[in-house]
Amino acid sequence: QQPVQSPQAVILREGEDAVINCSSSKALYSVHWYRQKHGEAPVFLMILLKGGEQKGHEKISASFNEKKQQSSLYLTASQLSYSGTYFCGTPRRAAGNKLTFGGGTRVLVKP
Amino acid sequence: GAVVSQHPSRVICKSGTSVKIECRSLDFQATTMFWYRQFPKQSLMLMATSNEGSKATYEQGVEKDKFLINHASLTLSTLTVTSAHPEDSSFYICSAILLAGEKETQYFGPGTRLLVL
Repeated sequence: QQPVQSPQAVILREGEDAVINCSSSKALYSVHWYRQKHGEAPVFLMILLKGGEQKGHEKISASFNEKKQQSSLYLTASQLSYSGTYFCGTPRRAAGNKLTFGGGTRVLVKP
Repeated sequence: GAVVSQHPSRVICKSGTSVKIECRSLDFQATTMFWYRQFPKQSLMLMATSNEGSKATYEQGVEKDKFLINHASLTLSTLTVTSAHPEDSSFYICSAILLAGEKETQYFGPGTRLLVL
């Protein structure tokens, strides 16, 4: 089953913050985050392996709450380069850890 | 991060022809590669898993005779769209798995945009 991402889209001004959520109806063992620019392939941001783990990439950080079966991506002091579609991916353990991606969250950062 | 390349980046073909797309891991070996398809404004949909030295495994609803996959070496997987039709037009993306300890990370190729006329 596909993880659910929210919001579907967000528009923010340069310097503002945003949070993207990813939740699953099934147990989560890890969460992978990617960003895709228009017309390009997704770029790996980070992977969170353990419950409570937090990671960072530039000023983008993420947390993982395995009990709540969810992860959140935090865009802090957003930059124009943060614009794109963010996907979370969750592995299917019964299927060789293949990733199932959420529907994506479109982020547009305006000057 | 690891580098994955795809070729061609863009292809236009006539209906009924076959198109081959190559996916290469440039600086690491990948026993497993994945092929995805992405329609405009949609998420990535896994089509199949390409395993070096064995047959590919396909997701439900993906025709294996239409989308032929060959994983000839630890750095190369190919996807051939046979008898392509306009509805096959899409963005095809491959990814390769890099293992580092307990972490299994997927790195994506730049994608191939297919347009079938």
